[in-house]
Amino acid sequence: GAVVSQHPSWVICKSGTSVKIECRSLDFQATTMFWYRQFPKQSLMLMATSNEGSKATYEQGVEKDKFLINHASLTLSTLTVTSAHPEDSSFYICSAHGLGQGERDTQYFGPGTRLTVL
Amino acid sequence: QKEVEQDPGPLSVPEGAIVSLNCTYSNSAFQYFMWYRQYSRKGPELLMYTYSSGNKEDGRFTAQVDKSSKYISLFIRDSQPSDSATYLCAMSSYTGGFKTIFGAGTRLFVKA
Repeated sequence: GAVVSQHPSWVICKSGTSVKIECRSLDFQATTMFWYRQFPKQSLMLMATSNEGSKATYEQGVEKDKFLINHASLTLSTLTVTSAHPEDSSFYICSAHGLGQGERDTQYFGPGTRLTVL
Repeated sequence: QKEVEQDPGPLSVPEGAIVSLNCTYSNSAFQYFMWYRQYSRKGPELLMYTYSSGNKEDGRFTAQVDKSSKYISLFIRDSQPSDSATYLCAMSSYTGGFKTIFGAGTRLFVKA
């Protein structure tokens, strides 16, 4: 398999502050990384797709100025929730895809980050 | 019509039962088919990854793909309480750009 890490695993912040979540592929190069949001007992909701060195592609309804995504290297992508509000509280999950890399040629998920905005 | 249909359940079975989880899809361009398991408050874990039609077995898990019927299945033999989780099907296509679509997930409860 392939290993994807996320940091932090949980974070509590005050309303109005910004929070950065890191996603790393530990043993393969992630040509593409995905960011999802998941509410309790609901399925994954794709927020954006990012390719290394280029701007992220956001899904309809996702504010790109609020959810800043940077994919600076083939092993690291970051999601920054800017000016967080209580309604941004959710479980954020990243996944990494190693295109053309054998068994890595599919999405491997990180463990998720639980964000609580007070 | 959704591209991928998956019954959300919940599905409750006794320990030791054979579990059958299924998804149907509408886009014939899908070529890669996956099953993920997600425990509560954890990220999804890749269970099975298959290309095109056929069967794939890994321990107690068997994945089946029938592209002619646009139907995929995951069978769990000798189910255990530790199998209690949400199971998501997913499928990918490289036609017209890479795309992966996830099912809504089926919640499974295995009772001891």
